[in-house]
Amino acid sequence: EVQLVESGGGLEQPGGSLTLSCAASGFTFSSYAMTWVRQAPGQGLEWVSALIGVTNNTLYADSVKGRFTISRDSSKSTLYLQMNSLRADDTAVYYCAKVLTPGGSNMHMDVWGKGTTVTVSS
Amino acid sequence: EIVLTQSPGTLSLSPGERAVLSCRASQSVSRYLAWYQQKPGQAPRLLIYDASNRATGIPVRFSGSGSGTDFTLTISSLEPEDFAVYYCQQRLNWPPLTFGGGTRVEMK
Repeated sequence: EVQLVESGGGLEQPGGSLTLSCAASGFTFSSYAMTWVRQAPGQGLEWVSALIGVTNNTLYADSVKGRFTISRDSSKSTLYLQMNSLRADDTAVYYCAKVLTPGGSNMHMDVWGKGTTVTVSS
Repeated sequence: EIVLTQSPGTLSLSPGERAVLSCRASQSVSRYLAWYQQKPGQAPRLLIYDASNRATGIPVRFSGSGSGTDFTLTISSLEPEDFAVYYCQQRLNWPPLTFGGGTRVEMK
């Protein structure tokens, strides 16, 4: 069974840092692009970042560029999101998601984790 | 950035009725549009990809159509479990990948 399990969320002060993890299983992790998508309380979905499997190319939304870093450890089948300089508007549920086809040619997301909650508040 | 506008914001229907949801793109996305369903407290679920392809395990009552800038998700006969929020998402021109604001399908 293909599965994604996020962890690492919590309460952090503005300006602080958190690292989210997403443990993957049931598919060839290194072959697929992976994404992070967030959802602020009561709001819609916002794409945050993607890592393209074959090239390890990383891409970011303007709202997090320069503050967040996506990475992966293929030996552990784990995706990460390092979040620095956190702001109140980063408060959200963060989902990791696998894209539909290997290589990142189709960036629709067919498997999602249950999400981990990040709250940024003093 | 491609902006996706979903309408209506809320659809109030009864089980057994047909639901028609719209997603309009600010510029052509060809057929590179997906639909997701999200229930309260749950992650989104992929329903339709590339405008009209049902994802694995999705019932046939869900269908997608459209190309260019105008897309439709149709639920032919609403089941109780279909009451949820639906989002569209484009993958043609990114970053950023963009989502619509969502349509809530609520029980009348």
